[in-house]
Amino acid sequence: DQQVKQNSPSLSVQEGRISILNCDYTNSMFDYFLWYKKYPAEGPTFLISISSIKDKNEDGRFTVFLNKSAKHLSLHIVPSQPGDSAVYFCAAPTGGGNKLTFGTGTQLKVEL
Amino acid sequence: DVKVTQSSRYLVKRTGEKVFLECVQDMDHENMFWYRQDPGLGLRLIYFSYDVKMKEKGDIPEGYSVSREKKERFSLILESASTNQTSMYLCASKPGSTSTDTQYFGPGTRLTVL
Repeated sequence: DQQVKQNSPSLSVQEGRISILNCDYTNSMFDYFLWYKKYPAEGPTFLISISSIKDKNEDGRFTVFLNKSAKHLSLHIVPSQPGDSAVYFCAAPTGGGNKLTFGTGTQLKVEL
Repeated sequence: DVKVTQSSRYLVKRTGEKVFLECVQDMDHENMFWYRQDPGLGLRLIYFSYDVKMKEKGDIPEGYSVSREKKERFSLILESASTNQTSMYLCASKPGSTSTDTQYFGPGTRLTVL
């Protein structure tokens, strides 16, 4: 049972435009969400997170929005840059908070 | 700066071989994790450890075992490698047990089983 879902395996965006990556979850008990970014041949790195007591968290070009009623979160990247081309995973802590459940990832390609 | 290192970046083994993947972290983290990453399946947790000599099964433990004899080192063992274990293996560590603690990942080991 996939508790965290990323339904778009890939996304292509032009440089300078907005990238919107989506994530849905099924467990209403999830109260914290993270986004990780992964380049080929490297491990994932933490990008941004959001607590369920907020509906928005911003860090530079990256903003995460949380819609609890829809069990949906999204990552906005504005403006998109070629260096943002990577796989993005959303994740939620499970198992008492010690484990992370990851989505399947979205491959973002930012084109010149 | 947290550093998680994995013993090999690329590994090629034959079916039936015993395979050891090593992971070392230098930040005195309590928790360590092994994941595998496959296209279309994301990152799936194999095993994790919350203390020396302690381990818990993740979502896909079958065919794997782990060892944590020292706090900084967490090993993943494939007792008898099979072709369906060809994958990218990622190790991670985390300082505490709260949900807001960040997991830090190593660079990964690309394992091919022939």
